[in-house]
Amino acid sequence: KQEVTQIPAALSVPEGENLVLNCSFTDSAIYNLQWFRQDPGKGLTSLLLIQSSQREQTSGRLNASLDKSSGRSTLYIAASQPGDSATYLCAARTGANNLFFGTGTRLTVIP
Amino acid sequence: NAGVTQTPKFQVLKTGQSMTLQCAQDMNHEYMSWYRQDPGMGLRLIHYSVGAGITDQGEVPNGYNVSRSTTEDFPLRLLSAAPSQTSVYFCASTGQDRQYFGPGTRLTVT
Repeated sequence: KQEVTQIPAALSVPEGENLVLNCSFTDSAIYNLQWFRQDPGKGLTSLLLIQSSQREQTSGRLNASLDKSSGRSTLYIAASQPGDSATYLCAARTGANNLFFGTGTRLTVIP
Repeated sequence: NAGVTQTPKFQVLKTGQSMTLQCAQDMNHEYMSWYRQDPGMGLRLIHYSVGAGITDQGEVPNGYNVSRSTTEDFPLRLLSAAPSQTSVYFCASTGQDRQYFGPGTRLTVT
């Protein structure tokens, strides 16, 4: 069974800092990997989707990379803002559309 | 375009009661799924459906039933609620490989 791990569980950074969130998965036979953002009491919003054949995806200040062979993905956030404060989850998709989620990294950006 | 909607937002049940969590999407997605989110455990798949009339079990299906009579709707039924089913429940639909989540239902079973 696919196991997805996110470290650290929580992270606090001052505004303006660049940061990296980490995601690791045990089974490299993934179809794709997705990064989500979850605000307190809300649902999940998809941020970036990386297909298994891709190495990275970018959206604005966000860049996600994927290294299937090592079972790792990173989410890079440039020039962090207080509005970036949220929990970030990664999820690896195996066959049949099933997603396996990490437990998330709670990010706090301090003004 | 409302996306994925879920009702109710909050619910309190007594042990042994039954209820249905509603989920609907207006994006004409074939694939829909239900997850539960518990502290420290991440989201876990309960049931999923690849189209109307077709459902299958996920990782934690015990105590839950689903049906899919239309493309739009995918209700989740709790047959006899137990305190272990206290959780936040999310419905999602998948389109072009991307998952779209509803706002969630926070369920407490006493």
